[in-house]
Amino acid sequence: DVKVTQSSRYLVKRTGEKVFLECVQDMDHENMFWYRQDPGLGLRLIYFSYDVKMKEKGDIPEGYSVSREKKERFSLILESASTNQTSMYLCASSRVRTGTAGYTFGSGTRLTVV
Amino acid sequence: GQQVMQIPQYQHVQEGEDFTTYCNSSTTLSNIQWYKQRPGGHPVFLIQLVKSGEVKKQKRLTFQFGEAKKNSSLHITATQTTDVGTYFCAGIGGTSYGKLTFGQGTILTVHP
Repeated sequence: DVKVTQSSRYLVKRTGEKVFLECVQDMDHENMFWYRQDPGLGLRLIYFSYDVKMKEKGDIPEGYSVSREKKERFSLILESASTNQTSMYLCASSRVRTGTAGYTFGSGTRLTVV
Repeated sequence: GQQVMQIPQYQHVQEGEDFTTYCNSSTTLSNIQWYKQRPGGHPVFLIQLVKSGEVKKQKRLTFQFGEAKKNSSLHITATQTTDVGTYFCAGIGGTSYGKLTFGQGTILTVHP
């Protein structure tokens, strides 16, 4: 089974801190995604990547950046955390660039910014 | 941009009753996927529909893709307590190559 591992299950950070969320997948998937999940809003795409060192903005990229130095690892960076970035962050990967395969999600990181 | 609307937001049923959630897109979709998220868990891929009018079944779950490829539904027959969770539809439109847009999800509660 494909595994997508997110480094932390829960995080508490202070306003203004730089926050790194790490995601690693073990099945050589090309595509990786970062979503945030908020009640009533579903999953919203922050950034995605189709290849190493490649990144594209999703629907809500403001306040975030990403890094993909290796195929298996996709990092989400909150440059200066704010309270409105308190959320559940979900990383996902898929093996097919055209989107014709299901996504595999990690267990999520619940981030609280105080 | 592409929008995917899902209704209802909440559904409470008695065990044994049927359940349906509906998904509508503002644009024609190349495919639609369905996911289930158990309470405290993460979304898990259930199925993908690609063809216009396609119907697929997984035991008590029936998935349909509309003829115009702009809407979809998930129907659960005779719900069980193990069906509780949030069901998401997610679609890929013509201009969002490879990117899924998720609906808001339907939270299903099953009372024993």
